[in-house]
Amino acid sequence: DADVTQTPRNRITKTGKRIMLECSQTKGHDRMYWYRQDPGLGLRLIYYSFDVKDINKGEISDGYSVSRQAQAKFSLSLESAIPNQTALYFCATSETGRGVNQPQHFGDGTRLSIL
Amino acid sequence: GENVEQHPSTLSVQEGDSAVIKCTYSDSASNYFPWYKQELGKRPQLIIDIRSNVGEKKDQRIAVTLNKTAKHFSLHITETQPEDSAVYFCAASIGYGQNFVFGPGTRLSVLP
Repeated sequence: DADVTQTPRNRITKTGKRIMLECSQTKGHDRMYWYRQDPGLGLRLIYYSFDVKDINKGEISDGYSVSRQAQAKFSLSLESAIPNQTALYFCATSETGRGVNQPQHFGDGTRLSIL
Repeated sequence: GENVEQHPSTLSVQEGDSAVIKCTYSDSASNYFPWYKQELGKRPQLIIDIRSNVGEKKDQRIAVTLNKTAKHFSLHITETQPEDSAVYFCAASIGYGQNFVFGPGTRLSVLP
């Protein structure tokens, strides 16, 4: 089945380290997203990309960067990790809406702990 | 910008009873409202959605209602079962775009 795959699933690292979270999808969707989930705060958008040459900041982009290497790959980087970036990170994809909103499909998440 | 509030934050019901979760949004241009279910340790999964041109949509035991005038929408689960226990998130589209703002979530517990 077509899916959204995130690697790694879990990561523990130290303050100041550079970290990359990877997302790949076989759904054939153009649009990809990175979210952060914290207890009681829902899902907050970090960055999104509507196609390979398009990158946009979301609600909480400070301290993060992204790269859209191909239609199927979208990676999230923390250049110098800090403890308050400890969270559950989700990648999501959606079809191009052509004027109609489409639902987003999520990966299994990456649990990131920064000590 | 868009703001989505969700209530209650936690909800406990007896198996077989109904559960209702309510969300309000602020952007009158929002036109798409999906609901996601997230079981413990798993990814959010779309369970139902509604567009602004309809007031109600039903899928078996799940229904969603939308009141555009009041800017609120609700998830209704009837005949609840233990497997309905999860965190439920509402979301509202940002204007006519492809992004969403999510509510903070409701933890539903169905007690046997």
